[in-house]
Amino acid sequence: AQSVTQPDIHITVSEGASLELRCNYSYGATPYLFWYVQSPGQGLQLLLKYFSGDTLVQGIKGFEAEFKRSQSSFNLRKPSVHWSDAAEYFCAVGALSNAGNMLTFGGGTRLMVKP
Amino acid sequence: DTAVSQTPKYLVTQMGNDKSIKCEQNLGHDTMYWYKQDSKKFLKIMFSYNNKELIINETVPNRFSPKSPDKAHLNLHINSLELGDSAVYFCASSLRGSGGALLLDTQYFGPGTRLTVL
Repeated sequence: AQSVTQPDIHITVSEGASLELRCNYSYGATPYLFWYVQSPGQGLQLLLKYFSGDTLVQGIKGFEAEFKRSQSSFNLRKPSVHWSDAAEYFCAVGALSNAGNMLTFGGGTRLMVKP
Repeated sequence: DTAVSQTPKYLVTQMGNDKSIKCEQNLGHDTMYWYKQDSKKFLKIMFSYNNKELIINETVPNRFSPKSPDKAHLNLHINSLELGDSAVYFCASSLRGSGGALLLDTQYFGPGTRLTVL
């Protein structure tokens, strides 16, 4: 069975500073990886995804993530954080089989942005 | 245009009651899901339906009964509500395909329904 670990429950950064949110996964086959963002009281919005190909993936809102198979990681980065980026971030791994198409989520990382 | 919509957005009810949450998607997807997000923000899949057929049931109590009248709708009915059912319930949809043409497509999420059981 697949699993996802987001080691940092909370992260606080200053506005304009760079950001890296960590994600480690466990999956026996080629992983399909996702980052979602959840703003307070809102649903989940897809930031980016990795299915195959280039291991550096660009997403919306200036985010990018890098898939590193050797480290089983898919860390999310942004060079300069804006106050509106304050939210909960979820990493997920997707599994595809005849039994279903399901996402397994990490526990989330809450990002706070200092002015 | 709302891609995945849920009603109601908030639901407050007493223990022992029966309630339903509705979900609709206008993306033309063939697969719909229900997820539960607990008070610690942990998200876990509950059910998945493909073309109105149940394909994932993740050890959810049988008080929870999903119903899919058509590919665009997946409703969640909960009987005999308990305090532990309080959570945010998210509906999602994606395009899965079937048989030899399975896809792993992006799942699009609804805004969530916050259920509070008193």
